[in-house]
This record gives sequence, C-alpha cells and structure tokens, in this order.
Amino acid sequence: DAGVTQSPTHLIKTRGQQVTLRCSPKSGHDTVSWYQQALGQGPQFIFQYYEEEERQRGNFPDRFSGHQFPNYSSELNVNALLLGDSALYLCASSLNSGRPQETQYFGPGTRLLVL
Amino acid sequence: RKEVEQDPGPFNVPEGATVAFNCTYSNSASQSFFWYRQDCRKEPKLLMSVYSSGNEDGRFTAQLNRASQYISLLIRDSKLSDSATYLCVVNEGTYKYIFGTGTRLKVLA
Repeated sequence: DAGVTQSPTHLIKTRGQQVTLRCSPKSGHDTVSWYQQALGQGPQFIFQYYEEEERQRGNFPDRFSGHQFPNYSSELNVNALLLGDSALYLCASSLNSGRPQETQYFGPGTRLLVL
Repeated sequence: RKEVEQDPGPFNVPEGATVAFNCTYSNSASQSFFWYRQDCRKEPKLLMSVYSSGNEDGRFTAQLNRASQYISLLIRDSKLSDSATYLCVVNEGTYKYIFGTGTRLKVLA
C-alpha cells in the first residue's frame, strides 16, 4: 500500500526565486492538504485541495498557490521566496467522506532552505 | 490566546515511568481531536484519535474534557522508543487541522 510521497526531499533556493513542491496521496485518497512546519513549531495549515479545487485556505499570502491534478496528486508553488519561507513542507492526504475531520496521513516532507 | 496550546517540555523521564501531557484549545465548538507523534526530522504520524468517552491503545490513554477544553495523553511504562515530540491536533469542523507546537518527551535509560 503506497503511502504519501513527496518530492524533492530537500531544496535550496535564494530569495526571490520560485519553487514547486510535489505530492502524491496515499492510494485510495482523493484529498490533499499542505502544511508548513518551521523549526520548533507545529505544522501550520496552508490549504486543502479536493476535486481539483482549493477547498479551504489558512493564513498564508497569495505567494502560496497550489494545484490538484485529475489523478489527485498535487503541487505547492511559492513565489518570491523569503528567508522566512525556510521550513519543512508537509503534504497530508485523506479520503473525502463528507465530514471535514477525516484522519490525515502525512508524507515525509520537503525541506526547503531559502538563502 | 493561541488556538491550541501545549507545554513544549522537554519532559525527561526514566524508562518505566508514567508521563502525562495536556493540551488546551480555545474554540469550544471544536469537534475532533487527535494526538500525533513526530520523530526528529520526520513526518507526524497518527498516534490516536481522542473520543469523548476516552480511549486506550495499549500503554497509551487519551482523554477529552470538553468543559475545561483540554485533551490529555497518558503514557504508561515508558520505553526508550517513546522519545519523540507529541503533537496535539484539533479540528473545529472545517477542513483545517490546527496543531499545537508539540511536547518533547525524552525517555532515559
């Protein structure tokens, strides 16, 4: 049973650049959420995608955008990178059942360093 | 006031000890509660959901107190392998999971 996968595992960028992170959900799941986890903090919700639409968004600026594909995989794009965007970016997948509070399963994350 | 608050620790306990963590939440309308475990530089993994009646899974017991708006996690007979950060997670009925900052546990030999 394939779990949640993310790529790349590590990434180094400079300020002002743009980055794209990728996520494939767990087999059978159709919903993808993205989180940012800064060092020493808990994960912060960025947004959730279902049926190729952004269903809910956290308190992140428009520089953070995403996409979901027909095969349920997803991308997170961050434009105009800032030093403060350095963090572990986690993707979580779940199965939509009509209830919002379904259990989410996390991928190993992408560690982004902005210099 | 933060939406979800946890004591960051670290809690240093000897093997075999019993340890308990609390987590408070600010929204009384919160609907679902979870404990996740996160090892250093790894992803969070679901430890257990927390039900109103309380629930147990082996050495782990989770409880919910809606009146006081907190959830707790009790670990009995601590093992070295229990050393990790324990994340409290609350869902307010939306699609957003709200995480606490986590409580670090170190079990000492």
